[in-house]
Amino acid sequence: DTAVSQTPKYLVTQMGNDKSIKCEQNLGHDTMYWYKQDSKKFLKIMFSYNNKELIINETVPNRFSPKSPDKAHLNLHINSLELGDSAVYFCASSQSRAREQPQHFGDGTRLSIL
Amino acid sequence: AQKITQTQPGMFVQEKEAVTLDCTYDTSDPSYGLFWYKQPSSGEMIFLIYQGSYDQQNATEGRYSLNFQKARKSANLVISASQLGDSAMYFCAMRVSITGTASKLTFGTGTRLQVTL
Repeated sequence: DTAVSQTPKYLVTQMGNDKSIKCEQNLGHDTMYWYKQDSKKFLKIMFSYNNKELIINETVPNRFSPKSPDKAHLNLHINSLELGDSAVYFCASSQSRAREQPQHFGDGTRLSIL
Repeated sequence: AQKITQTQPGMFVQEKEAVTLDCTYDTSDPSYGLFWYKQPSSGEMIFLIYQGSYDQQNATEGRYSLNFQKARKSANLVISASQLGDSAMYFCAMRVSITGTASKLTFGTGTRLQVTL
């Protein structure tokens, strides 16, 4: 009965490879997010989708491409991985009209680039 | 631009004591929300407490309370009766609307709390 689940939990790969992280939420929320947490623990939003529509796209390299097949899923594909992409990536979801409700986070995907 | 500042990189507190984690924010938006999240060493982000910009009362959730001082733009988290399990990173975050349906959380740099015996 996990609310926001993302897979895989750990991802170790070589520079130059392409990888994907999947996220699913069963909370019935209409908005989903991707955040990046760097080695200093700083969290920054990357993307947000509302009902499958991209609504927030922070200054993220084009190598990062989110895809939302439906409002319960938001995947993140990363092309040509670089050393600087090593981080923990969090998926989150919320209900857009319920401003007082928090964003619910997945457990994170730790991406390590060799 | 919206900004959240947490000036305490690390804090120590003895078990059973109370501790205050500082958070100040900056925004020109009259409507915003303030959140605190806990991140234990296992890595997950756990929501603790919420304060809306129009709320008249300070938010409380069990041992957590939020000392909201709007004029000072501060939203400090107070943890009463600290427990060893409270040892974690604590993040203050502010939600600001971008459009009718879009909002985003801006996070502070976090405070690492260590509870000692």
